[in-house]
Amino acid sequence: ETGVTQSPTHLIKTRGQQVTLRCSSQSGHNTVSWYQQALGQGPQFIFQYYREEENGRGNFPPRFSGLQFPNYSSELNVNALELDDSALYLCASSLKGVSYEQYFGPGTRLTVT
Amino acid sequence: GESVGLHLPTLSVQEGDNSIINCAYSNSASDYFIWYKQESGKGPQFIIDIRSNMDKRQGQRVTVLLNKTVKHLSLQIAATQPGDSAVYFCAEKYSGNTGKLIFGQGTTLQVKP
Repeated sequence: ETGVTQSPTHLIKTRGQQVTLRCSSQSGHNTVSWYQQALGQGPQFIFQYYREEENGRGNFPPRFSGLQFPNYSSELNVNALELDDSALYLCASSLKGVSYEQYFGPGTRLTVT
Repeated sequence: GESVGLHLPTLSVQEGDNSIINCAYSNSASDYFIWYKQESGKGPQFIIDIRSNMDKRQGQRVTVLLNKTVKHLSLQIAATQPGDSAVYFCAEKYSGNTGKLIFGQGTTLQVKP
């Protein structure tokens, strides 16, 4: 186990709704990255947070937003959900400035109907 | 484009044999590479990493080889066990400050008893 936790484990939402996913990073880690993994695909980078600021973003629209808190935990918010947002959302924590190793949580399975 | 490709979608090996999983990456500026193992219903699990200034790195039963000339990465698993059955992803990090990882599509490793 990596020590990275995510909640909830599963979630079902309706198109147009908003969702908030949560992640607690591994103890001692200061950076959180979020990824979207569609079924049968590799994870796609959404964004990364370091010192409570966005530190890099992938090709995702602005309706995907995030936060990082002083305790390094993080939230991923998705507005105006679309059917294609159905995926496994993974967060990964790392220690910026020391290592590029990223340790993943178990993910949140989001289904949009 | 941003892609890390894998040569074979599925690899089937006999228990006790050695496994070799290959990966082709597209960005010659990438400076860091990671192999992850993902079991069904779980997040990716870190296996081994290698920096671009290295050609080979060994871990417990695993070896990663990097050939920058042909932009090729491989993961060798010695004495493959049933517990090694999973999807394996290689990921690359472009040089620079962000920790964005670019993942390939994954190779499914099936270990036959």
